[in-house]
Amino acid sequence: GAGVSQSPSNKVTEKGKDVELRCDPISGHTALYWYRQSLGQGLEFLIYFQGNSAPDKSGLPSDRFSAERTGGSVSTLTIQRTQQEDSAVYLCASSLVGTANTEAFFGQGTRLTVV
Amino acid sequence: KNEVEQSPQNLTAQEGEFITINCSYSVGISALHWLQQHPGGGIVSLFMLSSGKKKHGRLIATINIQEKHSSLHITASHPRDSAVYICAADFSNTGNQFYFGTGTSLTVIP
Repeated sequence: GAGVSQSPSNKVTEKGKDVELRCDPISGHTALYWYRQSLGQGLEFLIYFQGNSAPDKSGLPSDRFSAERTGGSVSTLTIQRTQQEDSAVYLCASSLVGTANTEAFFGQGTRLTVV
Repeated sequence: KNEVEQSPQNLTAQEGEFITINCSYSVGISALHWLQQHPGGGIVSLFMLSSGKKKHGRLIATINIQEKHSSLHITASHPRDSAVYICAADFSNTGNQFYFGTGTSLTVIP
């Protein structure tokens, strides 16, 4: 596609339920990032995928969060047993070969509300 | 420690004014990005720079590597420029993530 695509754009879920958020990066981009932006807060790094390398999961806030990237393309961020503090906009970005001197392109985000 | 600071936090300007948003960072970078986030959350990458100056339309971004400082300028500001502007540093000592400033919320009044 022309840009980074995220789905759904909005998700309302009940506390305790699991949710899956999807990111379709730009075709050919080997680097993919997930970020979270809580209300009134800055962007927070969650996880980074680069090609076939092991992902950098250092930003995941708890073991309820996991992400995978299948075939080096589409990525899914899964939040298990959602809590109200998980409510945020989840943003995905991709870049051609990684951060150094390459432009990152952001999706429109998924706004998650846990009620 | 990898840190990024932006100023001002909030900025209100009259249409037509020249606007400057500043970003300082703590250690060496590979690149610095300026992002624009409109109400509704969508983020657009405006510039990526590692030295000098870049211009796109009414937007100009500069960076001074020695002073570890970057500025985003908007000439002849317009209400449609109202958004949150975020600088993001790709520090040389880590290749896996951006470090974001807290953003500058710009409102341009007609």
